[in-house]
Amino acid sequence: AQTVTQSQPEMSVQEAETVTLSCTYDTSESNYYLFWYKQPPSRQMILVIRQEAYKQQNATENRFSVNFQKAAKSFSLKISDSQLGDTAMYFCAFMKPPALGGSQGNLIFGKGTKLSVKP
Amino acid sequence: DAGVTQSPTHLIKTRGQQVTLRCSPKSGHDTVSWYQQALGQGPQFIFQYYEEEERQRGNFPDRFSGHQFPNYSSELNVNALLLGDSALYLCASSAPTGTGIAGELFFGEGSRLTVL
Repeated sequence: AQTVTQSQPEMSVQEAETVTLSCTYDTSESNYYLFWYKQPPSRQMILVIRQEAYKQQNATENRFSVNFQKAAKSFSLKISDSQLGDTAMYFCAFMKPPALGGSQGNLIFGKGTKLSVKP
Repeated sequence: DAGVTQSPTHLIKTRGQQVTLRCSPKSGHDTVSWYQQALGQGPQFIFQYYEEEERQRGNFPDRFSGHQFPNYSSELNVNALLLGDSALYLCASSAPTGTGIAGELFFGEGSRLTVL
């Protein structure tokens, strides 16, 4: 069974600075997807960034980037130029790709990291 | 384009009662998944519906059941409610396999269930 571990329950960062959130996972699969989701107080989960395991290049989305280390089963999220609106719970998640002709896979989430951006 | 919509947003039940939660997927999506998020925890997968059938199921008892309608909307039913069922219930939808971004799920804002 796959597991996702986020070892930092809470973190804080000053506005405009950089912060890195950690995530490790365990799987015997060779191909899979990894995600970082953001959940602000409004409760809605929002996809921040996605990485496909077969791609060696780390994904980037504007101020968000990941450090994907497949051999170490590590998937950290770096937020540059932190903004007050980045304050939220951040969840790391794992998904197996769908079987051929099958439906979408399901997400396995970590317990989350609460990020506070301070002015 | 309306995203994933869920109803009700909040509800309170007592132990032993039954509850039905509803979800309308994002336009163009055909797969609906349900997740339970206890306070301070990450969401846990309950089950997934595709082509009106339950396709995958997480480690939840049979008290949790669901349905998907021809218009792709879905219901989550929980019978014989326990105090431990108090949680945020999230619905997520995804595009047909081979379309959209592989693996991407869109979430609703959830239904907050309190069991007294």
